[in-house]
Amino acid sequence: DQQVKQNSPSLSVQEGRISILNCDYTNSMFDYFLWYKKYPAEGPTFLISISSIKDKNEDGRFTVFLNKSAKHLSLHIVPSQPGDSAVYFCAASGGSGGSNYKLTFGKGTLLTVNP
Amino acid sequence: GAVVSQHPSWVICKSGTSVKIECRSLDFQATTMFWYRQFPKQSLMLMATSNEGSKATYEQGVEKDKFLINHASLTLSTLTVTSAHPEDSSFYICSASGLGPEGDTQYFGPGTRLTVL
Repeated sequence: DQQVKQNSPSLSVQEGRISILNCDYTNSMFDYFLWYKKYPAEGPTFLISISSIKDKNEDGRFTVFLNKSAKHLSLHIVPSQPGDSAVYFCAASGGSGGSNYKLTFGKGTLLTVNP
Repeated sequence: GAVVSQHPSWVICKSGTSVKIECRSLDFQATTMFWYRQFPKQSLMLMATSNEGSKATYEQGVEKDKFLINHASLTLSTLTVTSAHPEDSSFYICSASGLGPEGDTQYFGPGTRLTVL
């Protein structure tokens, strides 16, 4: 039973345009959400996170939006750059942001940014 | 630079042998370490949570006698795959939670590719 779902296995965008990556979750106990970027044969790299008490968090080109009522979050990357091409994982935790709480991951979305 | 290292980065072994994978947090102390495995085009699946000095907590369906976890210090956790079989071939990733360069979060290692012949 997938508690964190990323329904788009891949996304292709043009350089300079906006990339929107989506994530849905089913567990109401999740209260902290993270996005990771992963290259092949490497470990995930933390990008940005959001607590359930917020609906938006921004860090440079990356913005995460959270819609609690819809149990949906999205990652916006603008402008997209070729170096952003990677697999993006959405993850959720029930630990209020505590780093020692386990994460539940989605299957990932492969983003390709074309020059 | 990397804040969590894994060794080895890849290993090939014969069926029936045991393989040990090390996970080290660099420059910070990790009270909790997590072990994940990832199959191709799948998500990272949590195998177990390891706290320094205590027994690991395994996720449902993960055999604790097959995947031995030792968290001997605040900077080192090991995963031993005992009597490995071809179906254990996977990408194993650890993460360490603690106060690192990006704040208090989980930091992931680069992963270990295990191939069992």
